[in-house]
Amino acid sequence: SSELTQDPAVSVALGQTVKITCQGDSLRSHFASWYQQKPGQAPVLVMYGRNIRPSGIPDRFSGSTSGNTASLTFTGAQAEDDGIYYCNSRDTSENLYVFGTGTKVTVL
Amino acid sequence: QVQLQQWGTGLLKPSETLSLTCAVYAGSFSGYYWSWVRQPPGRGLEWIGEIDLTAHTSYSPIGKVAHSENTNYSPSLRSRVTISVDTTKKQFSLKLSSVTAADTAVYFCARVKQWAGGEYYFDYWGQGNLVTVSS
Repeated sequence: SSELTQDPAVSVALGQTVKITCQGDSLRSHFASWYQQKPGQAPVLVMYGRNIRPSGIPDRFSGSTSGNTASLTFTGAQAEDDGIYYCNSRDTSENLYVFGTGTKVTVL
Repeated sequence: QVQLQQWGTGLLKPSETLSLTCAVYAGSFSGYYWSWVRQPPGRGLEWIGEIDLTAHTSYSPIGKVAHSENTNYSPSLRSRVTISVDTTKKQFSLKLSSVTAADTAVYFCARVKQWAGGEYYFDYWGQGNLVTVSS
């Protein structure tokens, strides 16, 4: 089915580590890409593939994948990591892109 | 630095047609997929559709010619959506017919890059346009 499920919200203390996940059948055959969105702004690509950061994305972001689950980890979370994170993948069976439900990350 | 700038009608009545255009500045227009994504207020992202400009281009007496401008739409919106392109202006457009209040959303244009076989990411986005449907 064309759904990607994420936990609605997670909080992390400044400088600590948190992992957010994305689950869906399409991830068994495709990698996820991850986007950070801040209020009133367009999403920004922060991770794609198994663990590939676009230029300018800090190395405290890392990615992984296993089975039908993709994960994005913040090692040493910073205040600027606040935002809603969406995963995305291609669903080739239905020939479309699917966005996850989004996880609101709050850095305390 | 690639920039996407979008514009269009912000307020529509039910049954009217939504129309948005996105212009691409800097970078190549061909060789990518160009998508539209929307986000209802307070909710998540929804992919609307794309136009494929990745097909091989060739040269003719009139200049470069893109052989394919295939479109691909979300099944839930396919009956109402049209995405078109003007390669001479490096612009692509979205039309969504018969809008209802459920189509109220911020609409984003975005560039999609295939980085490996069957793998894609959205790397550049427009600033977004709020479209409100209200009688």
